[in-house]
Amino acid sequence: GQSLEQPSEVTAVEGAIVQINCTYQTSGFYGLSWYQQHDGGAPTFLSYNALDGLEETGRFSSFLSRSDSYGYLLLQELQMKDSASYFCAVRDRYDMRFGAGTRLTVKP
Amino acid sequence: EAGVTQFPSHSVIEKGQTVTLRCDPISGHDNLYWYRRVMGKEIKFLLHFVKESKQDESGMPNNRFLAERTGGTYSTLKVQPAELEDSGVYFCASSQGQGPETQYFGPGTRLLVL
Repeated sequence: GQSLEQPSEVTAVEGAIVQINCTYQTSGFYGLSWYQQHDGGAPTFLSYNALDGLEETGRFSSFLSRSDSYGYLLLQELQMKDSASYFCAVRDRYDMRFGAGTRLTVKP
Repeated sequence: EAGVTQFPSHSVIEKGQTVTLRCDPISGHDNLYWYRRVMGKEIKFLLHFVKESKQDESGMPNNRFLAERTGGTYSTLKVQPAELEDSGVYFCASSQGQGPETQYFGPGTRLLVL
């Protein structure tokens, strides 16, 4: 079977750095994606890691360690608009399987 | 370019009724996915179409759910008869041929079964 674990809630202040962790158990792992969803909105793609290491896209970075079945999303210089739910998702051969999401609250 | 669209945005029905959700993927996207999110829980995979064929329907909860993709364009998801536990947000997503990792989601249909 497949399972993904990520914290349910994280709170941080504006301008800070926050790391959202994701551990997974899956068969046929191809890669790890991260999605952002604002309340009432559609999930939007942030990043995808197929190989070990850190991928940086602006203020957001994503890391993967395949040997540890672990990844994280790093958000720097937090802004109020970053308050949202963040989902990790693993790719098997054809599909994506999502976690329950981490609700990030950014406070002034 | 238009994104993924879903209709209706909201639906409130009574237990035992039928509801049909529609998804129009991004033009040219062969892959179409249906997901459901019950409040506070994971975005649960339901099924995946490649063009008009079902690639994977392992996430469909039971035979009350029927998905179709006519001509490989838009897709419908019918729930008949609806039960209380079917309430949630139903998302549709599409992606191009190279893989599912970059999916574009629609705004979702919020279904409430009373």
